[in-house]
Amino acid sequence: DAGVIQSPRHEVTEMGQEVTLRCKPISGHNSLFWYRQTMMRGLELLIYFNNNVPIDDSGMPEDRFSAKMPNASFSTLKIQPSEPRDSAVYFCASSREPGGELFFGEGSRLTVL
Amino acid sequence: DAKTTQPTSMDCAEGRAANLPCNHSTISGNEYVYWYRQIHSQGPQYIIHGLKNNETNEMASLIITEDRKSSTLILPHATLRDTAVYYCIVRPLYNNNDMRFGAGTRLTVKP
Repeated sequence: DAGVIQSPRHEVTEMGQEVTLRCKPISGHNSLFWYRQTMMRGLELLIYFNNNVPIDDSGMPEDRFSAKMPNASFSTLKIQPSEPRDSAVYFCASSREPGGELFFGEGSRLTVL
Repeated sequence: DAKTTQPTSMDCAEGRAANLPCNHSTISGNEYVYWYRQIHSQGPQYIIHGLKNNETNEMASLIITEDRKSSTLILPHATLRDTAVYYCIVRPLYNNNDMRFGAGTRLTVKP
């Protein structure tokens, strides 16, 4: 059974460019989370979805960040325009039901020059 | 406004038990204690969770005090591969709210 799949694993881009990170949750999981991790701020919750509906996006840093979940098997996190301070590892996680055990992907390491 | 307090770092000798404490003095009656760990550069991994009874699985044991204001994660025979950051989280069971990680405890298992 495949785990949470994230792509790309690594991305290097220049300031001002659009970045799209992708996540495929575990089949049958109804909740999906996006986290960002940096040395300074640790692991931060950005947004989470229940049944494809965004529930809490209070952690999204600013309007440059947006997340979508068009169906149960796919989610995107978009940054437009990107800035050097957005450099971080972005993790996606899913759970079978609200409050359930979280399964994390391997992360997408973003570097904005 | 952290709901849990953990030591920043701990060391443990290989083969010995690692006891990781967590204080959660403001825990509510419907909140569970969850433990995750993050091995360097990987995504966090679920370990165990409990409400008020002690729990054990193949990875660890969780001891929750009777007043539920603190808990201890026990790795009975630590190995070098257990070196990681361990996170203690309190949250309701059937609710995704508060699925936020604090700074955790960096456990270093030494040969």
